Amino acid sequence: GAVVSQHPSWVICKSGTSVKIECRSLDFQATTMFWYRQFPKQSLMLMATSNEGSKATYEQGVEKDKFLINHASLTLSTLTVTSAHPEDSSFYICSALGQLYEQYFGPGTRLTVT
Amino acid sequence: AQSVTQLDSHVSVSEGTPVLLRCNYSSSYSPSLFWYVQHPNKGLQLLLKYTSAATLVKGINGFEAEFKKSETSFHLTKPSAHMSDAAEYFCVVTVPTGTYKYIFGTGTRLKVLA
Repeated sequence: GAVVSQHPSWVICKSGTSVKIECRSLDFQATTMFWYRQFPKQSLMLMATSNEGSKATYEQGVEKDKFLINHASLTLSTLTVTSAHPEDSSFYICSALGQLYEQYFGPGTRLTVT
Repeated sequence: AQSVTQLDSHVSVSEGTPVLLRCNYSSSYSPSLFWYVQHPNKGLQLLLKYTSAATLVKGINGFEAEFKKSETSFHLTKPSAHMSDAAEYFCVVTVPTGTYKYIFGTGTRLKVLA
C-alpha cells in the first residue's frame, strides 16, 4: 500500500515552453502533497506544500508564478513549470501525506530543458 | 524549529565491514526520524523510522538505527556492508503536528570498496 506515482519519469523540453508533472497517490487519498527539487549530488529542497481544494503554500524563494501547483483531487497534484529555462533542469520529486502523517515519495521526474 | 545534521558527506567502507552513518537532530518537540536511501537517478526508499516507540529501530536490508535522546542522535548502522549498499543516504526529521514538513539532512554518500 501507499504507492505514489509520477508522470512522466523524464521529460525534455525546449526553452520557453511549459511542462506539467503529475503526482498521484494510487491506493490512498492525500489532502496534502509536497513537491521537492533535487539538484545533482544535493539534498531535497522543499518547494511547496499542495493542499487539495486550496492554494499551495510555497517555500521562501520559490516563484509561485513559475512553478504552478494544482491539487485538483484527493489523489492528484500537478506541478507545471512555466516558460522553462535550462536552469530549471532538475530532478523533481513529489510526496503524499498518508493517514499516519508519513510522507510517501514518488519515483521522481527528471526534467531537462534545452 | 527542527533541523538535522549529517556529520559526514562521504563514507567509504570495505565490503563486509560495518557501516556507520551519523545523524544529529534538533527539535523542540518529540520528533519522528527517518532514514532514506537513494540510488543514482532513483527515488527515495524508506530504510527505517522512529516514531517514539522502541529506541532501537530495525529496518530493511539489515540496517538499524538507535534513537538517543540524551545525545540527540539517530545514527544508522549495518554490521556488514554489501556492494549494493553504495548509495546516498538521507536522515530526515519531522514533527507530527502542524505542517508535517520533512527536514532533510544534506546526505551521506556511501562508497563500498571491493
